[in-house]
Amino acid sequence: DTAVSQTPKYLVTQMGNDKSIKCEQNLGHDTMYWYKQDSKKFLKIMFSYNNKELIINETVPNRFSPKSPDKAHLNLHINSLELGDSAVYFCASSRRTDYEQYFGPGTRLTVT
Amino acid sequence: SQQGEEDPQALSIQEGENATMNCSYKTSINNLQWYRQNSGRGLVHLILIRSNEREKHSGRLRVTLDTSKKSSSLLITASRAADTASYFCAAMEYGNKLVFGAGTILRVKS
Repeated sequence: DTAVSQTPKYLVTQMGNDKSIKCEQNLGHDTMYWYKQDSKKFLKIMFSYNNKELIINETVPNRFSPKSPDKAHLNLHINSLELGDSAVYFCASSRRTDYEQYFGPGTRLTVT
Repeated sequence: SQQGEEDPQALSIQEGENATMNCSYKTSINNLQWYRQNSGRGLVHLILIRSNEREKHSGRLRVTLDTSKKSSSLLITASRAADTASYFCAAMEYGNKLVFGAGTILRVKS
């Protein structure tokens, strides 16, 4: 009965590859997010979707493309991976855009 | 833009003592939230305080908000070893973007 789940938990890949991270929430929330946490634990929002519509798109390279097939899913596709993309990526959801957020367990991406 | 700055960066206390963490932010906010992150895990929401509130309690947690000083504090009373974690404040900007601080690492020694 996991509220926000992400797959995979760990992802090790080489520079230049394309990879995807999947996120699903079973809370019935309307809004979903992607965050990046760097090695210094600094957490920064990347994207936010509300009812499948993109509402926040921070200054993120266009190699990163979120896709929301429905309200319960928000996937993150990354093209041409670079060393600097290594980080932990968190998916989150909330009932409304100004409410508390529920985070997934994170996906640790390592680019070699 | 990094919104919340937290102080101290790290805090080590004995079980049973109180822990206080402070947070400052830069722009007007809709609300301010505190989250906990255990090592290697996702963030867990602790408490949300709205911009028109000054203080809020939840169990052993007490949060204050001073919008004139653009600051907030989190007090954990009677700490336990299980409270060992990183604590983040997050400012909800108008436009509903949540901006996190750098976090405070709390270690509670038993």
